[in-house]
Amino acid sequence: GESVGLHLPTLSVQEGDNSIINCAYSNSASDYFIWYKQESGKGPQFIIDIRSNMDKRQGQRVTVLLNKTVKHLSLQIAATQPGDSAVYFCAESNAGNNRKLIWGLGTSLAVNP
Amino acid sequence: DTGVSQDPRHKITKRGQNVTFRCDPISEHNRLYWYRQTLGQGPEFLTYFQNEAQLEKSRLLSDRFSAERPKGSFSTLEIQRTEQGDSAMYLCASRGGGEQFFGPGTRLTVL
Repeated sequence: GESVGLHLPTLSVQEGDNSIINCAYSNSASDYFIWYKQESGKGPQFIIDIRSNMDKRQGQRVTVLLNKTVKHLSLQIAATQPGDSAVYFCAESNAGNNRKLIWGLGTSLAVNP
Repeated sequence: DTGVSQDPRHKITKRGQNVTFRCDPISEHNRLYWYRQTLGQGPEFLTYFQNEAQLEKSRLLSDRFSAERPKGSFSTLEIQRTEQGDSAMYLCASRGGGEQFFGPGTRLTVL
């Protein structure tokens, strides 16, 4: 049979390689940005955040880059592991809208052992 | 485990029935959000509470949907006269001063 549905962008990497996931955001008034990881059947899990007064922030194995000029956000994962396989979403918010999150299109990351 | 719990985790119901979901946020968080997520999509905002006050509702929240947070702690989301288009994952998140922490979600299937 044939399945019909929305196909997420997919990034396939080898274990140990670095991964870069990109996201375009929509609202120039957004001042807070978050990356979430979502595994199948689970709620989104916080990875890292960044405020608009910064252009780079590093965590453990992850780095977020923010380019406000072109409204672009990226997530870099170093030494990608099989446990990193999931769907990754960026989200934006601002203080003027009760900090509700506006979500980008997710990217499915597949890590090949 | 983020500290946000939701109940039930799964609900199967027939079209036209009413359903109610519960969210227990992190205890010291005064802000609570409900989102809906369909397969392959990012979550969509439904409603926001600060303490017991419902401060914002999305246009997605039709008159069949109602949410409460009576004592500023747990929250309930009720859907009346369910339709097949209501089938989705319903996510709850709570926030103190920083990021939103999400519960595991309630998966609703309307037959």
